[in-house]
Amino acid sequence: ETGVTQSPTHLIKTRGQQVTLRCSSQSGHNTVSWYQQALGQGPQFIFQYYREEENGRGNFPPRFSGLQFPNYSSELNVNALELDDSALYLCASSLDRATEAFFGQGTRLTVV
Amino acid sequence: AQSVAQPEDQVNVAEGNPLTVKCTYSVSGNPYLFWYVQYPNRGLQFLLKYITGDNLVKGSYGFEAEFNKSQTSFHLKKPSALVSDSALYFCAVRVFWGSARQLTFGSGTQLTVLP
Repeated sequence: ETGVTQSPTHLIKTRGQQVTLRCSSQSGHNTVSWYQQALGQGPQFIFQYYREEENGRGNFPPRFSGLQFPNYSSELNVNALELDDSALYLCASSLDRATEAFFGQGTRLTVV
Repeated sequence: AQSVAQPEDQVNVAEGNPLTVKCTYSVSGNPYLFWYVQYPNRGLQFLLKYITGDNLVKGSYGFEAEFNKSQTSFHLKKPSALVSDSALYFCAVRVFWGSARQLTFGSGTQLTVLP
């Protein structure tokens, strides 16, 4: 176990809805990154938070947004859901931006 | 652009035989390389990393990886495969995206160890 927990584990949403995914980082880790893993593909970087500030973003539209809280837990919000947003969403925490990342078990989002 | 490639979608090996999962990379500067394993419906588990130093890196569960700068490769190896090693394996390189240090992953290699 990595100490990184994500909730919920599974979620089904309708196209056009909004969703919030949550991540509790490993104790002491101040950096959280979010990844999207579509079926049969490797994870793709969405964005990273370091000490409550977004400090890097991948090629994802603005309807993907996030937050990091003072206890370093994090949320990923996706607005106006599309069918292609169906994927496994992975949260990873690290001690700082330069060390290895430890992943949670993921949230499986299905958009119908 | 910095990237990794995993040329094999699927690798099959008999239990007890050595296994190799291949990874090549393309980066500017010194590469920070990682291997992760993913079991069905689970997140990624860290296996090992190469930052600097010895070219042979030892990691979890008896896995090791050999960094080869001239061939730009970072192949994952294990001397004797177990059925429980069957999983999806990802090679990754750390890239600098603005001020973020994020991982770019390969497409993954499904390893099946046959009893």
